[in-house]
Amino acid sequence: ETGVTQTPRHLVMGMTNKKSLKCEQHLGHNAMYWYKQSAKKPLELMFVYNFKEQTENNSVPSRFSPECPNSSHLFLHLHTLQPEDSALYLCASSQGPAGNGGEQYFGPGTRLTVT
Amino acid sequence: GENVEQHPSTLSVQEGDSAVIKCTYSDSASNYFPWYKQELGKRPQLIIDIRSNVGEKKDQRIAVTLNKTAKHFSLHITETQPEDSAVYFCAASSFFDMRFGAGTRLTVKP
Repeated sequence: ETGVTQTPRHLVMGMTNKKSLKCEQHLGHNAMYWYKQSAKKPLELMFVYNFKEQTENNSVPSRFSPECPNSSHLFLHLHTLQPEDSALYLCASSQGPAGNGGEQYFGPGTRLTVT
Repeated sequence: GENVEQHPSTLSVQEGDSAVIKCTYSDSASNYFPWYKQELGKRPQLIIDIRSNVGEKKDQRIAVTLNKTAKHFSLHITETQPEDSAVYFCAASSFFDMRFGAGTRLTVKP
């Protein structure tokens, strides 16, 4: 157990549904990340939060809405998704930026299928 | 933004042989270069990393080299074992931004 948990582990949703992914880290880190992992594509960084403040938003469509109420919890709110949004969504946490010694620890991911 | 190229996309070696995976990056501000191993159905796990002020780092059978001038870095696995079979990802990071390569599927045949 790396100390980063994600729920649910699997999610099937229709294009008109609204759902949320949850991530929790028990490592005392102050930065949290959302990544998207699709087949045959590199891991894509979506959002970064440092001390609850969003520091990165890599041109992610507005149908993905992140929320970080505190340094231990991170949510990804989903609405009106498209089938191409089906992927593994990974959460990660680190103690500060990677370049300053902040190794990223990943959660197990949520396998999302949009029908 | 940062672009990380990784080669090869698949690699098959005989047990005991060495494996080499190469990555190039484009952003000269990148200063941290981790390598992750992801087994089927599991989360990516850090296996080794290197920072821009270091040219080489070794941890048992795994080593990473970095050439900042040429903007490329490589992962070397010696004496490969079947349990080394997995997908390996390189990444280049500047501050909080982390860009990954597309991955290399390594198969070690017993």
